[in-house]
Amino acid sequence: DGGITQSPKYLFRKEGQNVTLSCEQNLNHDAMYWYRQDPGQGLRLIYYSQIVNDFQKGDIAEGYSVSREKKESFPLTVTSAQKNPTAFYLCASRAGGRTDTQYFGPGTRLTVL
Amino acid sequence: SQQGEEDPQALSIQEGENATMNCSYKTSINNLQWYRQNSGRGLVHLILIRSNEREKHSGRLRVTLDTSKKSSSLLITASRAADTASYFCATASTTDSWGKLQFGAGTQVVVTP
Repeated sequence: DGGITQSPKYLFRKEGQNVTLSCEQNLNHDAMYWYRQDPGQGLRLIYYSQIVNDFQKGDIAEGYSVSREKKESFPLTVTSAQKNPTAFYLCASRAGGRTDTQYFGPGTRLTVL
Repeated sequence: SQQGEEDPQALSIQEGENATMNCSYKTSINNLQWYRQNSGRGLVHLILIRSNEREKHSGRLRVTLDTSKKSSSLLITASRAADTASYFCATASTTDSWGKLQFGAGTQVVVTP
């Protein structure tokens, strides 16, 4: 069963803590993306990666970090430097080349207590 | 930054009626895509229309694109309760080679039985 998985589904964090959100895909896609969604709003791009060991900052990268050590995995770390981290986080992948469609995971809802 | 803006923000209709939502954008695009999001879930790709296309159909969905007006519309015919969701347009800019998408804030559609 191919697709994108994100874990955990819900995550609670105390202020000052770093947390890492997992994103795994078995679609053999080259490109992967992280988005943040706030209530009633669209998606904003945090980071993206076109290839293993390479990634680029999106529109709202401050307070976040990523790694791309394997093609299948693109974890996102929300650091204590992110001032308002409570949000819904979505991971997506794209086959690459001229393929433009992105495929999304189910999301992780992060709440800072 | 969010390029696409959907109109209306919310739409309430009865089963069997048609639902129309519009998307406006600001820059030149390679393609425009529509996605659906059920509450608390990830996004699902519905349809992609390229900049040289004017209209596209997929099942009960009809998408139009007017590049001169920088606008698109999504029509859902004979709506069903299962169509209740938020609908987002996303644009792929001609100036981007990374496959990035710019999402609008979405239209929330409620279909009542």
